[in-house]
Amino acid sequence: GDSVTQMEGPVTLSEEAFLTINCTYTATGYPSLFWYVQYPGEGLQLLLKATKADDKGSNKGFEATYRKETTSFHLEKGSVQVSDSAVYFCALSGSARQLTFGSGTQLTVLP
Amino acid sequence: DADVTQTPRNRITKTGKRIMLECSQTKGHDRMYWYRQDPGLGLRLIYYSFDVKDINKGEISDGYSVSRQAQAKFSLSLESAIPNQTALYFCATSEQGYEQYFGPGTRLTVT
Repeated sequence: GDSVTQMEGPVTLSEEAFLTINCTYTATGYPSLFWYVQYPGEGLQLLLKATKADDKGSNKGFEATYRKETTSFHLEKGSVQVSDSAVYFCALSGSARQLTFGSGTQLTVLP
Repeated sequence: DADVTQTPRNRITKTGKRIMLECSQTKGHDRMYWYRQDPGLGLRLIYYSFDVKDINKGEISDGYSVSRQAQAKFSLSLESAIPNQTALYFCATSEQGYEQYFGPGTRLTVT
């Protein structure tokens, strides 16, 4: 079945540091890929998405590129801020049109 | 006003009690979902509904039941709560595409 493997956390960075959170997936066919973010005490919000190979999703300075050859969708940001502290979830939507989530990565950004 | 609302936001109950969590949405979406979130496990799908007459079990439906009272309302019931059902519960909605919109969550504690 479909699965998503995310980089283990927690991740702690200083403000303005470069962020990478790794995500790889296993799925049949051509899934859509997502990054969701969960701020403290809130539900999940869609951060960005990509629906086909080589698509780049971007939002709020975050980017991720759908790499079919490496089955990856790594999240990057060039300069993180304290307000980016949250839990980040990688997810895929496969042939069953259901979301399969990774385990989440806690990011803490220190001033 | 929020597009997806959940009530209650927090609930403490005793083992063996029946409890209902409610979800309402104003997005006009046909599809609704219930997930639970546990630390280190990401989100796992409990039940989902593609329209009022359609109910489907998810990955972890044992011990839970649902009711889709209207397009906008989807309730989750724990018939006889047990401590390992202590978790954060999320409702989500979507159209026929892949993006899901999440409610703020219900924190349930079973003592």
